[in-house]
Amino acid sequence: NAGVMQNPRHLVRRRGQEARLRCSPMKGHSHVYWYRQLPEEGLKFMVYLQKENIIDESGMPKERFSAEFPKEGPSILRIQQVVRGDSAAYFCASSPPSRANTGELFFGEGSRLTVL
Amino acid sequence: QQQVKQSPQSLIVQKGGISIINCAYENTAFDYFPWYQQFPGKGPALLIAIRPDVSEKKEGRFTISFNKSAKQFSLHIMDSQPGDSATYFCAASWTGNQFYFGTGTSLTVIP
Repeated sequence: NAGVMQNPRHLVRRRGQEARLRCSPMKGHSHVYWYRQLPEEGLKFMVYLQKENIIDESGMPKERFSAEFPKEGPSILRIQQVVRGDSAAYFCASSPPSRANTGELFFGEGSRLTVL
Repeated sequence: QQQVKQSPQSLIVQKGGISIINCAYENTAFDYFPWYQQFPGKGPALLIAIRPDVSEKKEGRFTISFNKSAKQFSLHIMDSQPGDSATYFCAASWTGNQFYFGTGTSLTVIP
């Protein structure tokens, strides 16, 4: 059973370009979370999605950032018109439909975005 | 607003010693308290977790102590080893909602 797959692992963009980060959850998982991690900082919640629904986007900047988790295919975090402050590691995590049993989040290895 | 407060920010322990990391929370709705371990360049991985109906949970050298009245929980690593050197995050959640993470503790175990 493959783990949470994120790609690309490393992405370099110039200011003003768009960044698209993809996340394929573990098989059978229908919940996806995106977190941002800056050096020497913790994991900052961005958005929580279920298939075709955004459950909680309270941590996501109102402008330039969007996320989706379509019925088919990976979840995508999209950052438009990137700025240097967007440089960070972006982690995706998934959990099964019922978190009542384990409550565990399974993380991918992250996508490291560098904005030049 | 930091939902989960973690300390210390960094910790240096001699091999064989005990590493202790503390976390505190405010929201009494939280019903799940996991600890995650992260090595450089990797994603966090679940280490151990506890629910508020127990005061302690032990798995090998790792123990969570939970104080519901004080709204605090801590991770104890017994007989710390150099391989335990990593960043540790506490977290809190309640079913159906997002996870709130602490700011992390960088642990270094000196041989």
